[in-house]
Amino acid sequence: GDSVTQMEGPVTLSEEAFLTINCTYTATGYPSLFWYVQYPGEGLQLLLKATKADDKGSNKGFEATYRKETTSFHLEKGSVQVSDSAVYFCALSGTGNNRKLIWGLGTSLAVNP
Amino acid sequence: DVKVTQSSRYLVKRTGEKVFLECVQDMDHENMFWYRQDPGLGLRLIYFSYDVKMKEKGDIPEGYSVSREKKERFSLILESASTNQTSMYLCASTLQGLPYEQYFGPGTRLTVT
Repeated sequence: GDSVTQMEGPVTLSEEAFLTINCTYTATGYPSLFWYVQYPGEGLQLLLKATKADDKGSNKGFEATYRKETTSFHLEKGSVQVSDSAVYFCALSGTGNNRKLIWGLGTSLAVNP
Repeated sequence: DVKVTQSSRYLVKRTGEKVFLECVQDMDHENMFWYRQDPGLGLRLIYFSYDVKMKEKGDIPEGYSVSREKKERFSLILESASTNQTSMYLCASTLQGLPYEQYFGPGTRLTVT
């Protein structure tokens, strides 16, 4: 079945460092891909999305490109801030029209000043 | 802005009690979801609903039931709470036209003693 694999955390970086969080997927068909973020004490919120191959999603300085050839959707940011400390979830849309997301396990990011 | 609210942020219940978790969204979303979030296990879908009085089982429905009598409200019921249901419970909602862009509530941390 469809699945998402994220790099394990926690990831610890210093402020202004470059961030990459790896996400690869297995899917039949042509899913849409998503990154969600969960700040401490809050629910998840959509960070960015891409709906077809070679699309780049971007928001708040974060970017991810839908790579069909490598089945990847890695999250990147050029210069992280302390306020980016959160848990990041990669997800893909389920097959068919079942409205469900297939979730990765999440990667915790801690940014130190 | 879409707002998804959950009835409690923290809840402590005893084993065997019947527990109701309430979720309300204010943007006329058709789809609503209940997840539980556990360390190392990510988000797991318990139940979802795509219309009033309609429900579908998610990946881990055992020990839970749901109710959706009004479009804006989706309730999760633990018929007889057990200690292994201690968890963070997250509610989410989506528009029919954007079924994968989920809006989450802040979560209810339930402890069953």
